[in-house]
Amino acid sequence: QVTLKESGPVLVKPTQTLTLTCPVSVISLSNARMGVSWIRQPPGKALEWLAHIFSGGETSYSTSLKNRLTISKDTSRGHVVLTMTNMGPADTATYFCVRVDVDSRLVTFKRVHYNYMNVWDKGIMVIVSS
Amino acid sequence: DIQMTQSPSSLSASVGDRVTITCRASQTITRHLSWYQQKPGKVPSLLIYATSTLQSGVPSRFSGSGSGTDFTLTISSVQPEDFATYYCQQSSSFPWTFGPGTRVEFK
Repeated sequence: QVTLKESGPVLVKPTQTLTLTCPVSVISLSNARMGVSWIRQPPGKALEWLAHIFSGGETSYSTSLKNRLTISKDTSRGHVVLTMTNMGPADTATYFCVRVDVDSRLVTFKRVHYNYMNVWDKGIMVIVSS
Repeated sequence: DIQMTQSPSSLSASVGDRVTITCRASQTITRHLSWYQQKPGKVPSLLIYATSTLQSGVPSRFSGSGSGTDFTLTISSVQPEDFATYYCQQSSSFPWTFGPGTRVEFK
């Protein structure tokens, strides 16, 4: 079983940049359609998807946060890194990285790929406060 | 963006009850829907993906169905360990989105 490890909590000042590392090795993912997503959850609120990177490097972002987010691979160590700029109090949340797996099936003669968030790390609490 | 809604937002149930949670997408997502369970203070865990495929180790009392825009998660006989919040999530197109969650409470 793969465990994604992080530590925390982290205190960030408003306007600072947050950098989080997820130690899953994207390079070692066996399928180009596998990858890593970042999700966050403010205290007492719902889950919010932030960003995704496929093992091949393709990235996608939340519409509302895309101007502040960068997801990338640290090729030397194989880690996934999330950067969020201009942090504010509304960004106070627990941040999870998740290994996203894929189930590929033939559906009416067409191959369909179903992604799902399979392995969740324990999360890191990020508090934005001056 | 595809918006996901869930109903009800919360429900009360007794052990042994049949519980059904509905998830609706703002546009068709075919069967690209997953369900996650989150217990208080815990990390979410995958229950079901591709609408109806049970993740390994998940009890068979959980089931999922639907297609297009309307989906359901059913717990055939709710057990004490099932009291939690349940989220649906679409992976049909980016940006991926979650529903607001349904809290299942003990009656």
